[in-house]
Amino acid sequence: AQSVTQLGSHVSVSEGALVLLRCNYSSSVPPYLFWYVQYPNQGLQLLLKYTSAATLVKGINGFEAEFKKSETSFHLTKPSAHMSDAAEYFCAVSVEIQGAQKLVFGQGTRLTINP
Amino acid sequence: NAGVMQNPRHLVRRRGQEARLRCSPMKGHSHVYWYRQLPEEGLKFMVYLQKENIIDESGMPKERFSAEFPKEGPSILRIQQVVRGDSAAYFCASSPSIGRETHNEQFFGPGTRLTVL
Repeated sequence: AQSVTQLGSHVSVSEGALVLLRCNYSSSVPPYLFWYVQYPNQGLQLLLKYTSAATLVKGINGFEAEFKKSETSFHLTKPSAHMSDAAEYFCAVSVEIQGAQKLVFGQGTRLTINP
Repeated sequence: NAGVMQNPRHLVRRRGQEARLRCSPMKGHSHVYWYRQLPEEGLKFMVYLQKENIIDESGMPKERFSAEFPKEGPSILRIQQVVRGDSAAYFCASSPSIGRETHNEQFFGPGTRLTVL
């Protein structure tokens, strides 16, 4: 069964520092992987997705993620953190059901930015 | 193009009452998914529907929970005889018909936060 594991439920970085949020997946078939961001009391917004077109995926707000099959990883990075990046981040893998997809989410990583 | 709409945004119920959560998918989207987010946890899949059909309800509790997506109108998630453990944020997502260029992307609504007293 497909699943994702996010390493670290809380990550804290200084403003301007590198952001690295870790995600490892388990899948018996080529996976479709996603990163979503959730700001307090809001819904989820798609940051980026991997659908096998390119291993390095660029998303919104300066985020990117690299798919590494050998490591079964899809870590999210941003070169320089901004205060507005403080939020909860979810990695997800899609599971096919009758031609459509349901998302299986990791437990989330709360990112805190220190001034 | 309006996004996925959910209402109410906040819902307070006493134990034993019924909760009805509504979701209007994005225009042109025929697939609706419901997810539940318990406090301090990630989202868990509950049910996937197309118009007038429940495709996968493997994540739905066996009792008290039901969902529908009628031919006309929004999708409804119904919780009967609510208990305190039902307190959570319930998110609806929609996606268009499956196509290569839009593969798998789900668009989420703002959620309904249910509090059971």
